[in-house]
Amino acid sequence: KQEVTQIPAALSVPEGENLVLNCSFTDSAIYNLQWFRQDPGKGLTSLLLIQSSQREQTSGRLNASLDKSSGRSTLYIAASQPGDSATYLCALGGSEKLVFGKGTKLTVNP
Amino acid sequence: ETGVTQTPRHLVMGMTNKKSLKCEQHLGHNAMYWYKQSAKKPLELMFVYNFKEQTENNSVPSRFSPECPNSSHLFLHLHTLQPEDSALYLCASSQWASGSQETQYFGPGTRLLVL
Repeated sequence: KQEVTQIPAALSVPEGENLVLNCSFTDSAIYNLQWFRQDPGKGLTSLLLIQSSQREQTSGRLNASLDKSSGRSTLYIAASQPGDSATYLCALGGSEKLVFGKGTKLTVNP
Repeated sequence: ETGVTQTPRHLVMGMTNKKSLKCEQHLGHNAMYWYKQSAKKPLELMFVYNFKEQTENNSVPSRFSPECPNSSHLFLHLHTLQPEDSALYLCASSQWASGSQETQYFGPGTRLLVL
């Protein structure tokens, strides 16, 4: 059974800082890994999707990496802004469904 | 309207009430999903529909009854719920029901409180 862990559960940083969010998983037999953003009281927005054959994906100030052998993914956010404040979820795409972590709640202080 | 919409956004109901959640997707997708997000727990898949047919029921209690009349609409009928069913219920859609292999698009959710 796939288990997904996200550390830390919460993170508070000053504006402008570069930061890394971590996601680890137990079963490396995955199709892909996705990072989502969830704002309070709202649904999820897909940020990046990395196929199992890929090592990383980039979108603007976001960079996600995938290391299947070690069961880890990181989401790197450059030059953080208050608007980046949200909960970030990683999800593993297996043979049947997405398995989500509990998320990291990020607060970027002005 | 664009994307995935859900109504109502907030719902308070007693344990003896019957209510329904509605989801509509305007993306031309063929697969739709219901998820439950409880406090302190990961997002949990409840149901999957592919071309209006239910393809997965993730051991959900029968007090939750899904309905998918067409590929654009998905309902979740609720009856005799328990307080522990209070959660954010999210609807999602994707082009195909191989949902784990492609991006899913989520609605804003319905915040449900069962008293």
